[in-house]
Amino acid sequence: EPEVTQTPSHQVTQMGQEVILRCVPISNHLYFYWYRQILGQKVEFLVSFYNNEISEKSEIFDDQFSVERPDGSNFTLKIRSTKLEDSAMYFCASTRVGGNEAFFGQGTRLTVV
Amino acid sequence: GESVGLHLPTLSVQEGDNSIINCAYSNSASDYFIWYKQESGKGPQFIIDIRSNMDKRQGQRVTVLLNKTVKHLSLQIAATQPGDSAVYFCAENSVNDYKLSFGAGTTVTVRA
Repeated sequence: EPEVTQTPSHQVTQMGQEVILRCVPISNHLYFYWYRQILGQKVEFLVSFYNNEISEKSEIFDDQFSVERPDGSNFTLKIRSTKLEDSAMYFCASTRVGGNEAFFGQGTRLTVV
Repeated sequence: GESVGLHLPTLSVQEGDNSIINCAYSNSASDYFIWYKQESGKGPQFIIDIRSNMDKRQGQRVTVLLNKTVKHLSLQIAATQPGDSAVYFCAENSVNDYKLSFGAGTTVTVRA
């Protein structure tokens, strides 16, 4: 069964450092997303990406965040200068065109110290 | 602002019994309502969805009910099994806007 894969599974970084979270969406999907989940809370939308550009972003996704699809398979989330409150699980997801079922990766646990 | 949320944070169920998980939503413009299951240490997993013009949809051991009059969504799990222990989230989205707005989640624990 096709799946979304994310690396690394756990990332520890110092406050102020840049991090890049990586995702490989399902190959025939065209919509890509990043969500985050602070421990014990609900999943929150960050950004959606289609046709090589951001289609929508939330208030959380400020200018410290960026996304990129550097090649035909990877989809990355960069946080330029991490803050303590960026500590969370970050989930990548993808959907096919016209599809309502989002497939989520296993997540990257980001810990900012 | 408008949001999707759940009534109860936890639900304890005896193995073999039926489970009912509830969700209240406020965005009447949503086109789809979806249930996701999240097991410990994993990402959300799609269970079932229902379009806003329907009031019931059945899957394998699961049924979703939508009451648009009171803006209420429920997930029924028949013959609950230990593998059903997880956090369940309701979510909503709209046609041409595939982002998901999640509710707060209900933790279901199945007792043997």
